[in-house]
Amino acid sequence: AQKITQTQPGMFVQEKEAVTLDCTYDTSDPSYGLFWYKQPSSGEMIFLIYQGSYDQQNATEGRYSLNFQKARKSANLVISASQLGDSAMYFCALKINFGNEKLTFGTGTRLTIIP
Amino acid sequence: ETGVTQTPRHLVMGMTNKKSLKCEQHLGHNAMYWYKQSAKKPLELMFVYSLEERVENNSVPSRFSPECPNSSHLFLHLHTLQPEDSALYLCASSQALAGASVYNEQFFGPGTRLTVL
Repeated sequence: AQKITQTQPGMFVQEKEAVTLDCTYDTSDPSYGLFWYKQPSSGEMIFLIYQGSYDQQNATEGRYSLNFQKARKSANLVISASQLGDSAMYFCALKINFGNEKLTFGTGTRLTIIP
Repeated sequence: ETGVTQTPRHLVMGMTNKKSLKCEQHLGHNAMYWYKQSAKKPLELMFVYSLEERVENNSVPSRFSPECPNSSHLFLHLHTLQPEDSALYLCASSQALAGASVYNEQFFGPGTRLTVL
């Protein structure tokens, strides 16, 4: 069975600082993908970044980067130069194998950016 | 309209009511999903439709009944719900996986906040 663990229920970060949101995962499948989503108070889940298990380099998308440590089964999201609009819930999710449509989500981290 | 839309955004219903949630995607995708998001719990996948066929049903109670008439529309019919069914119901869509690819980003709608009295 697949599992995602996010151990930080809430975080407070000063504006313009970098923040790391933790995510560890558990799967025995060698082929998998890790996704990060942002959920503002409006409710919509917004895709941020993806990392494949066979990707040689850590994924980056603008201010978002993924610190992927395969041996430790961790895929932490790093947000650089945080902004007030980054305040939201952040979810890590895992998808395994081919032809499998299921995303397994963690419980999320509520990030609050302080001006 | 763009992306994934859901109606209504908020719904309050009694336990004996029958209501339906609607989801529409304008992205040309061929897979659609219903998720339930309860407070302090991970998102739970309820149903998956790929190419208009239901491919996964995660042991959801029969009081929830999905319908996917075409690749752009997805409904969730509700009847005789319980108060513990109160949650945010999210719809998502994606391109169904093809070949040896594990990457298919799911695009989510804004959700329907359901309250069962």
